[in-house]
Amino acid sequence: DSGVTQTPKHLITATGQRVTLRCSPRSGDLSVYWYQQSLDQGLQFLIQYYNGEERAKGNILERFSAQQFPDLHSELNLSSLELGDSALYFCASSVDMGQGAKNIQYFGAGTRLSVL
Amino acid sequence: DAKTTQPNSMESNEEEPVHLPCNHSTISGTDYIHWYRQLPSQGPEYVIHGLTSNVNNRMASLAIAEDRKSSTLILHRATLRDAAVYYCILDNYGQNFVFGPGTRLSVLP
Repeated sequence: DSGVTQTPKHLITATGQRVTLRCSPRSGDLSVYWYQQSLDQGLQFLIQYYNGEERAKGNILERFSAQQFPDLHSELNLSSLELGDSALYFCASSVDMGQGAKNIQYFGAGTRLSVL
Repeated sequence: DAKTTQPNSMESNEEEPVHLPCNHSTISGTDYIHWYRQLPSQGPEYVIHGLTSNVNNRMASLAIAEDRKSSTLILHRATLRDAAVYYCILDNYGQNFVFGPGTRLSVLP
């Protein structure tokens, strides 16, 4: 158990809908990361938050947004869903931001999103 | 983004050592080398990291070449539970992890 909790585990929805994925980081971790893993794209970095502030953006679509709340949990919002958004979405947390030991990321079990 | 290259797949027999190679010829002086693995139906899991010197922990050993252009993750005695995709990642301050395709390790009983 990594200590990172993601809910829900599975989500089935229809095209055009909006969903929210939730992540609770390990106790004491300030940094949260979101990744998307699909069969044809591998694991892709989406966005990073550190202590409530957005720190880095990767391949995140404009239809997707995220935030990190004062209690450090994070939510990833996906809207106007398309078939191609079906994937596993992982959240990870690290104690700090930086390099080496500060950047060791602990991953949750993921949310499997199916868009029908 | 600094790139790493790894073999697509490797096979090992149970209870034998496994050496997983990674090439990172464009590594910069401040890049750490991280290894993660992803077991089937699970999120990636941290294995080990290092900068210049070889590193050991309870899971594995990391051998880093003197010129740092390559590294090798060593599993001393492979078990069936070690069957996973292993990712070698360069960690540069301010840059985000780039997960490549990794090496799919199969462990034969």
